[in-house]
Amino acid sequence: NAGVMQNPRHLVRRRGQEARLRCSPMKGHSHVYWYRQLPEEGLKFMVYLQKENIIDESGMPKERFSAEFPKEGPSILRIQQVVRGDSAAYFCASSPPARYYGYTFGSGTRLTVV
Amino acid sequence: GQNIDQPTEMTATEGAIVQINCTYQTSGFNGLFWYQQHAGEAPTFLSYNVLDGLEEKGRFSSFLSRSKGYSYLLLKELQMKDSASYLCAVELTALIFGKGTTLSVSS
Repeated sequence: NAGVMQNPRHLVRRRGQEARLRCSPMKGHSHVYWYRQLPEEGLKFMVYLQKENIIDESGMPKERFSAEFPKEGPSILRIQQVVRGDSAAYFCASSPPARYYGYTFGSGTRLTVV
Repeated sequence: GQNIDQPTEMTATEGAIVQINCTYQTSGFNGLFWYQQHAGEAPTFLSYNVLDGLEEKGRFSSFLSRSKGYSYLLLKELQMKDSASYLCAVELTALIFGKGTTLSVSS
């Protein structure tokens, strides 16, 4: 009974490169959420997706960041032309349609921009 | 925006009881969640309150008062393994988190 799977666990990118972070939700979960966490800070909401739809992207930076959750395959958070300030832990969570059962988080991707 | 405030740090000793408070300035949210996060790990679900009152789950209890804009997480019989960050979150279209409270439990 796999949980939320995120890969890679650690990602190092040089400034200007692209970063692709993947998230496979729990079986039966159709809602995916992405969060960013800086050291000593809480989780900052970025985007909420359902299959093939972006429901709420109010927390997503307007430039360089995009997210998708295709009909088949994992959800992808894409960061183009990374800068040092993008270094953070990126967590994905998933939930079933009845969200009071709780949101389950993945182990995160630690992105380091050098 | 939603201001969700928690104390930054708390300390306690093994076997004690600790209450972590969370105040918020938002309305119309679906429910309030508490998560535990150990350093470098994923947040894990602790509790969920949708109605006012107390929800008890073993050593952990959570309380919500919508009229006062206030919640707390109560941890009883503290153990060293309870040293972690505790995150309060309100549910709008997604969970919106406070900055978390780092709890240190000493022997």
